[in-house]
Parts: sequence; structure tokens; C-alpha cells
Amino acid sequence: DTAVSQTPKYLVTQMGNDKSIKCEQNLGHDTMYWYKQDSKKFLKIMFSYNNKELIINETVPNRFSPKSPDKAHLNLHINSLELGDSAVYFCASSRQLYGYTFGSGTRLTVV
Amino acid sequence: GNSVTQMEGPVTLSEEAFLTINCTYTATGYPSLFWYVQYPGEGLQLLLKATKADDKGSNKGFEATYRKETTSFHLEKGSVQVSDSAVYFCALSSGETGNQFYFGTGTSLTVIP
Repeated sequence: DTAVSQTPKYLVTQMGNDKSIKCEQNLGHDTMYWYKQDSKKFLKIMFSYNNKELIINETVPNRFSPKSPDKAHLNLHINSLELGDSAVYFCASSRQLYGYTFGSGTRLTVV
Repeated sequence: GNSVTQMEGPVTLSEEAFLTINCTYTATGYPSLFWYVQYPGEGLQLLLKATKADDKGSNKGFEATYRKETTSFHLEKGSVQVSDSAVYFCALSSGETGNQFYFGTGTSLTVIP
């Protein structure tokens, strides 16, 4: 009965590959997000979807593409992976002003 | 614009010491304020929140008071435990910007026995 679940938890892949991270929430929240956390623990928002519509698209390379098939899912697809993409990626969902619920993170390592 | 500034770490304390992690904010409108905690290898968890001025959020012995006059939301705990070792994030959500949250840079806390 995990509220926000993302898979996989760990992902090790070679440069140039394409990979996807999946996220699902069962909280009935309208908004979902992808965040990137670097090695210094700094959190940077990447995307935000509200009811399947993109509402925030920060400056990230266009190799990153979010996909929201329905409001309970927000997947992140990454093309042509680079070394600098190595980080922990967090999915989250929210109701307005009530706080975020985060997934447990996906540690991506590009070698 | 909206932003959150929190004290830089890392912070190292002995068990039972008093903890303060400073957080100040700038915001348009009337934001809600939050503290999140990230234990090693895990995602962020909501620790406490306050939705209007002078509100005090509290949880697990941690407290923070929403001070509009000083635009602050400092996190405090009277007696820390080894299990409190984690990274703490201050955050705000402004109704004027919908659901977007603004996070501070995080403060790493290590509590030694």
C-alpha cells in the first residue's frame, strides 16, 4: 500500500543508452513531479504534471521526457544517457499546500 | 520570487544536545512552510508543517514556528538522538504558484553517541 512507488530503485547503465523510470501514486493527488538530487543533496525540480498536463518544465536537456498516461502515473524517459545524469531521481505527488509525498528514489549510475 | 535559505551543514552534535537549524524564506502571498527529513538511502518524508503565521508545527520532538515578522521557520529539538541523523530540508509552498514547492539546499545532521 505504498503511497508513491517508483521503479527501479537502482539503475546502472552505460553512456548512450535509453532508460525509463516509472512512478505511480495511489493517493488520488492531482499533481506529480520529478526531482533530481545531486551528490550534495541539492534538490532540483525537473517536471510537474497536473491532471496529466505539463505545468512545470524547468531547464533540463530535451533528452529527458516525462510521460503521464493518467494522473496516477508519471514516468521519466531519458535518451542518450550521459555521465552527468548520474544522480538520485525522486518522484513526488501533492495536493495543493498539503505537502509532498515522495517516492523512495531511483539511484541512476551512468558508467 | 519565492525562495528558501537554510543554514549550511554539516552539523554534528552529541546525543541529547539542543538542535537548531535556521530557515528563512522570501515569498509572494501567504506561503505554507514545511520541514522534510531524508534518512540515509530513503526519500524525503514530511516532518512538520505550518500553514499560517504564528502556527507551530511539531512532530517527533521537533518544532518550528512560522514567524512572519522575521520570515523564518527555524527547526528545533531539545534533545537529539543518534536516530535523528539525516538531511533536513526546509520548504515553502505558495498558493499563488499552485502546487510548486521551493526547497532549501538541505542541512546534514550527524548525531554522535
